[in-house]
Amino acid sequence: AQKITQTQPGMFVQEKEAVTLDCTYDTSDQSYGLFWYKQPSSGEMIFLIYQGSYDEQNATEGRYSLNFQKARKSANLVISASQLGDSAMYFCAMREGRLGGGSTLGRLYFGRGTQLTVWP
Amino acid sequence: DAGITQSPRHKVTETGTPVTLRCHQTENHRYMYWYRQDPGHGLRLIHYSYGVKDTDKGEVSDGYSVSRSKTEDFLLTLESATSSQTSVYFCATWQDPNYGYTFGSGTRLTVV
Repeated sequence: AQKITQTQPGMFVQEKEAVTLDCTYDTSDQSYGLFWYKQPSSGEMIFLIYQGSYDEQNATEGRYSLNFQKARKSANLVISASQLGDSAMYFCAMREGRLGGGSTLGRLYFGRGTQLTVWP
Repeated sequence: DAGITQSPRHKVTETGTPVTLRCHQTENHRYMYWYRQDPGHGLRLIHYSYGVKDTDKGEVSDGYSVSRSKTEDFLLTLESATSSQTSVYFCATWQDPNYGYTFGSGTRLTVV
């Protein structure tokens, strides 16, 4: 079974509008972390935002926020005031397990990505 | 940011030849990873390392081996390249639990 599911292969949004990219996850661990990455056409992977499973507040980083709904196992990325430079592939990822010790520490599971296109 | 360097950036090789990809980091991070990225699959873990000489398999490790003799270097070897190993390979390091990986720029490998 997929640990990370991104159901939107492609999304379109007009410049200056907000957009939500969906992500659901599957884990039986109580402690885990959720991440979003951006991959522009140049190919590099850029870390955007992190949410820990015990964090009570939704994570925010500038125009990015993570809408964390633990009971629904969803971690949607919200981009406010979209810009043309936001056009890219976006990946949701999860780290399972508690912090500290263990060889699997840090291993990430990635979704298949959502291609976001921002139009003027 | 030159914290992680992958080499080569591009390579074309023939089926059946051995290939080694190098990942070099200057961050002194303990954990290092090799992923491959293919359309429709996202990134999938090949091998990872949690210290010098300490490595383990990921979900798509068949046909690949790794070595880590120094903290800063993590090598990925395709013993006998096949066309199914045509992909973009990313190296990543990780240190801070509340932060994401630091990725290299990727290596585009084509096996013909």
